[in-house]
Amino acid sequence: DTAVSQTPKYLVTQMGNDKSIKCEQNLGHDTMYWYKQDSKKFLKIMFSYNNKELIINETVPNRFSPKSPDKAHLNLHINSLELGDSAVYFCASSSWGYEQYFGPGTRLTVT
Amino acid sequence: AQTVTQSQPEMSVQEAETVTLSCTYDTSESDYYLFWYKQPPSRQMILVIRQEAYKQQNATENRFSVNFQKAAKSFSLKISDSQLGDAAMYFCAYRLRRDDKIIFGKGTRLHILP
Repeated sequence: DTAVSQTPKYLVTQMGNDKSIKCEQNLGHDTMYWYKQDSKKFLKIMFSYNNKELIINETVPNRFSPKSPDKAHLNLHINSLELGDSAVYFCASSSWGYEQYFGPGTRLTVT
Repeated sequence: AQTVTQSQPEMSVQEAETVTLSCTYDTSESDYYLFWYKQPPSRQMILVIRQEAYKQQNATENRFSVNFQKAAKSFSLKISDSQLGDAAMYFCAYRLRRDDKIIFGKGTRLHILP
C-alpha cells in the first residue's frame, strides 16, 4: 500500500542511452512532480503536472520529457544521457495547495 | 526571487538533548507555507512539520516544534529529547499559497551522539 512509488530504485546506464523512470501514486492526488537531488543533496523541482497538464517546467534540458498518462502516473523519460544527469530523482504528489508526499527516489548513475 | 537559507551544514546533539536547526527565507509575498522535511539514510523525504504564514501560533508535532518569526523571515526547527532515529538531513522549504513550487534550502545534516 505504498503511497508514492517509483521504479526502478537504481539505474546504471551509459552515456548516450535513453532511459525512463516511472512514478505512480495511489493517494488520489491531482498534482505530481519530479525533483532532482544532486550529489550535494540540493533538491530542485523539474516539473509539475496538475490533472495531466504541465504546470511547472523549470529550466530543464529538453532531453528530459515528462509524460502523464493519467492523474496517478507521471513518468520521466531522458534522452541521450550525460554524466551530469547522475543524481537521485524524486517523484512527489499532492492535492493542489497541500504538502507534497515523496517517493523513495531513483538513483541514476551515468557512466 | 524566493530563497531559503540553512546556515548550518552539519550539527550534532547528544541523545535526549534538544537541538535547534536554523532557517531563514527571503520573499516579498505575505501568503505562503513553510515546511521542514527529513531525509534519513534511506533517502525517503518525510514531512516533519508545516506552518501557514497567516497563523501566528507555532506548529508542533510531538517532539518537533518550530519558532516562526514572520517579520524576521525565520523558521527554526526544535527537536526535543533527540533520538538516534532523528539522525538525518533536514530540509527547510517554502511555498507560496498561489503557487505549487516548493523551494528547498540546502539542508542541515544532524548527527545524534549516543
